[in-house]
Amino acid sequence: DAGVTQSPTHLIKTRGQQVTLRCSPKSGHDTVSWYQQALGQGPQFIFQYYEEEERQRGNFPDRFSGHQFPNYSSELNVNALLLGDSALYLCASSLERYGYTFGSGTRLTVV
Amino acid sequence: AQTVTQSQPEMSVQEAETVTLSCTYDTSENNYYLFWYKQPPSRQMILVIRQEAYKQQNATENRFSVNFQKAAKSFSLKISDSQLGDTAMYFCAFMKGKTGANNLFFGTGTRLTVIP
Repeated sequence: DAGVTQSPTHLIKTRGQQVTLRCSPKSGHDTVSWYQQALGQGPQFIFQYYEEEERQRGNFPDRFSGHQFPNYSSELNVNALLLGDSALYLCASSLERYGYTFGSGTRLTVV
Repeated sequence: AQTVTQSQPEMSVQEAETVTLSCTYDTSENNYYLFWYKQPPSRQMILVIRQEAYKQQNATENRFSVNFQKAAKSFSLKISDSQLGDTAMYFCAFMKGKTGANNLFFGTGTRLTVIP
C-alpha cells in the first residue's frame, strides 16, 4: 500500500520565481494538508484541502496557494519566491477520524 | 492560540537505557489530542504515540509511553530499552478536536542520539 508520495524530492529556484510541489495521498485518504518546516524548526501548517476546497489555512501569505484534484492529489504553489521560503515542505494525508500519514517532503532551496 | 514547547534541543542516551523527552503546551481547549512524532534522516514524520485529552490513562506503544499531566499541561515521552534506530528528531504536537479534522501544532523538536 503506497503511502504519501511527494515530488520532486529536491528543488532549487531563484528568488522571484514560482514553484509547484506535488503530493499524492495515501490510498483511501481524502484530506491533504501542507506544512512548511524551516531548518531546525518544527513544521508549520500552511493549509488543508478537502473535497477540492481549502478548508483551513495557517498564517501564510497569499503567495502560497494550493489545489486538490478529484483523485485527491494536491499541489502547493508558491509565487514570488523569497529566500525565507527555503524549507522542507511536507504533505500529509488523512481520512476523517484517522490520523495523518506524512510524505518525505520536498526540500526547496531559494537562491 | 495553541503553543507547544520542547525545552530540550538535544539529548543522548546509551543503548538499552531509558530516556524521557519533555513537552509542555498551552491551550484553552478542553477536547484535544497530543502526539509524539519521530523524524529520522529520511525526513518522513512517523507517528510514535497518541494521547486523547479526555483519557486519564497514559498511552503506551511497546517501548514508548507517555506521562500526560493535563492540569500541568505536560506531555513527556519515555523511551525504554533505547535502540540505535531510535536516533532521530522527536516532535511533540497538539491537535484540537477530532483526529484528521484539524491541523497539527508542532514544537521545535528534540534531537535524540542513541549511543552504542
